[in-house]
Amino acid sequence: SQQGEEDPQALSIQEGENATMNCSYKTSINNLQWYRQNSGRGLVHLILIRSNEREKHSGRLRVTLDTSKKSSSLLITASRAADTASYFCATGEGGSEKLVFGKGTKLTVNP
Amino acid sequence: DGGITQSPKYLFRKEGQNVTLSCEQNLNHDAMYWYRQDPGQGLRLIYYSQIVNDFQKGDIAEGYSVSREKKESFPLTVTSAQKNPTAFYLCASSTSQEITDTQYFGPGTRLTVL
Repeated sequence: SQQGEEDPQALSIQEGENATMNCSYKTSINNLQWYRQNSGRGLVHLILIRSNEREKHSGRLRVTLDTSKKSSSLLITASRAADTASYFCATGEGGSEKLVFGKGTKLTVNP
Repeated sequence: DGGITQSPKYLFRKEGQNVTLSCEQNLNHDAMYWYRQDPGQGLRLIYYSQIVNDFQKGDIAEGYSVSREKKESFPLTVTSAQKNPTAFYLCASSTSQEITDTQYFGPGTRLTVL
């Protein structure tokens, strides 16, 4: 069964706008990761946030984690057409031997 | 160039045939993984290996087999027992044997059953 569920399923914005994607999960986790997938390609790791962290930044990316609400958000600021991709959250469950992926948010950034 | 390579990029199979998907990494990673991705879906774990000559089943191992004879290589065989093999297959690796650590993905193989 899938642990992380992204919201929204699809998001369309204009270049320069910010994009926010959310991920909810069900059980306790060690960490939560965000990956990007361009159409027909492999996944690229973006950022990992551990369960004892609340916020993390990487360039134009900002990830927050709220373990009390079992949710995370990914913010992409000043989006570019090249950000068009699907974004997946993946949760590392406590004691589990796998990384569980959500179904992804498909982001389209219009030039 | 360090990375993970998968071949072929596209693969066509007739019903009843076994096919083998290649995955090679030169990152010196201990752990390797195989995932299946269906349209509009997330990734589902097929098999994983944390060390040479050892591997474990994931969530959807039925109809698949793997081997890990070398650290660099983790081939996946899709057997005729897999009822619906048409999908996008992704191989990944990670530095540690901690499965929930960051994973690095190959470009994928798209398998189509004719």
